[in-house]
Amino acid sequence: EVQLMESGGGFVQPGGSLRLSCVASGFTFTNYAMSWVRQAPGKGLEWVSAIGGSRGGTYYADSVKGRFTISRDNSKNTLSLQMNSLRAEDTAIYYCAKFSDHYESDSYYLDAFDIWGQGTMVTVSS
Amino acid sequence: ETVMTQSPATLSVSPGERVTLSCRASQSVNSKLAWYQQKPGQIPRLLIYATSTRATGIPARFSGSGSGTEFTLTINSLQSEDFAIYYCQQYNDWPPLTFGGGTKVEIK
Repeated sequence: EVQLMESGGGFVQPGGSLRLSCVASGFTFTNYAMSWVRQAPGKGLEWVSAIGGSRGGTYYADSVKGRFTISRDNSKNTLSLQMNSLRAEDTAIYYCAKFSDHYESDSYYLDAFDIWGQGTMVTVSS
Repeated sequence: ETVMTQSPATLSVSPGERVTLSCRASQSVNSKLAWYQQKPGQIPRLLIYATSTRATGIPARFSGSGSGTEFTLTINSLQSEDFAIYYCQQYNDWPPLTFGGGTKVEIK
């Protein structure tokens, strides 16, 4: 069964740090780009960050650039998000998500998120 | 940044009705448009990708259409389990990947 399992969420004061993890199973983790998507309480979905598969290029939303760092350990099938200088507006459920992809005319394309984890809640408050 | 706008914000419908949800992009996203369903307390689920391709296991009553900047998700004969929030997302031009604000389909 294809599965993503997040952990590491919790309660932190503004300016603090947290490290989220996402363990993947049921697919060849190395082969797929991965992402973090968050959802503030009662709000919609917001993309946070993404990382390529074996090549590992990283991408960030402007709202987290310079504060969050995405990484992956392919030997442990684990995706991570180091979150520093946390703000109240970072309060959200953080989902780990797997990109689907395809090849077309010898080019590689990332597509939609076909697998989502259960999410981990991050609360930033004094 | 490609801004995604969904309308209406809320749709009140009766079971068995046909529902049409709209998603507009601020610039062309070609066909790189996905739809997700999220039920209360649950994680998002991919319904449609590449504008009109149903994801694995998605019933045929869900269909997507559109091109460029205007897209539609249609649900034929709405079932009780279809009451949820639906999000569109573009993956043509990123970062950032962007989602619409969602359309809530509620029971009339």
